[in-house]
Amino acid sequence: QKEVEQNSGPLSVPEGAIASLNCTYSDRGSQSFFWYRQYSGKSPELIMFIYSNGDKEDGRFTAQLNKASQYVSLLIRDSQPSDSATYLCAVNRATGGFKTIFGAGTRLFVKA
Amino acid sequence: DAGVTQSPTHLIKTRGQHVTLRCSPISGHKSVSWYQQVLGQGPQFIFQYYEKEERGRGNFPDRFSARQFPNYSSELNVNALLLGDSALYLCASSRDDLGNTIYFGEGSWLTVV
Repeated sequence: QKEVEQNSGPLSVPEGAIASLNCTYSDRGSQSFFWYRQYSGKSPELIMFIYSNGDKEDGRFTAQLNKASQYVSLLIRDSQPSDSATYLCAVNRATGGFKTIFGAGTRLFVKA
Repeated sequence: DAGVTQSPTHLIKTRGQHVTLRCSPISGHKSVSWYQQVLGQGPQFIFQYYEKEERGRGNFPDRFSARQFPNYSSELNVNALLLGDSALYLCASSRDDLGNTIYFGEGSWLTVV
């Protein structure tokens, strides 16, 4: 079992729709959770982080965390073609020392 | 303030050679992590350093080594390069080693031929 699992996609949504990206993790001791966006040929850039159960909103982005289910999600409202990228879920686990582990990423395509 | 800076940006090496990649963290950040990203995969954790000490090591062979200097900059060294080492090598910095957000540099693209 991978430590951080994401559906590789591609996920295709029309412009203006809501894109829903999901992630599960295996280490119950994980404390910090992150979403990064990576455009082709570029390095990952931070979108959001979340530490507590529930929702956290930042503009068009909402991160959701459910530690009991070991589940993290990212919602992108009013999706734009410029949102087309790979979205990486990352988990900072405490077991064996703090380190940030990434999923394989979900490719998102927003169709104009 | 400058972000994380990495050098070189691109390089081509021959199998069996050695490579050194360099990273300067964001000012005020004391922790540096190194990741390898192969096309189509997420970043794979290689090392984390904090205050010049290794705080974490991923599942990579001993050909990979790193160190952190007193000014918190870092080097990643890879010996006896293999074709499979071709990847984007990412450096990330964070304030400390307690699970805070990591910020990436632009990466070093390594091609082994």
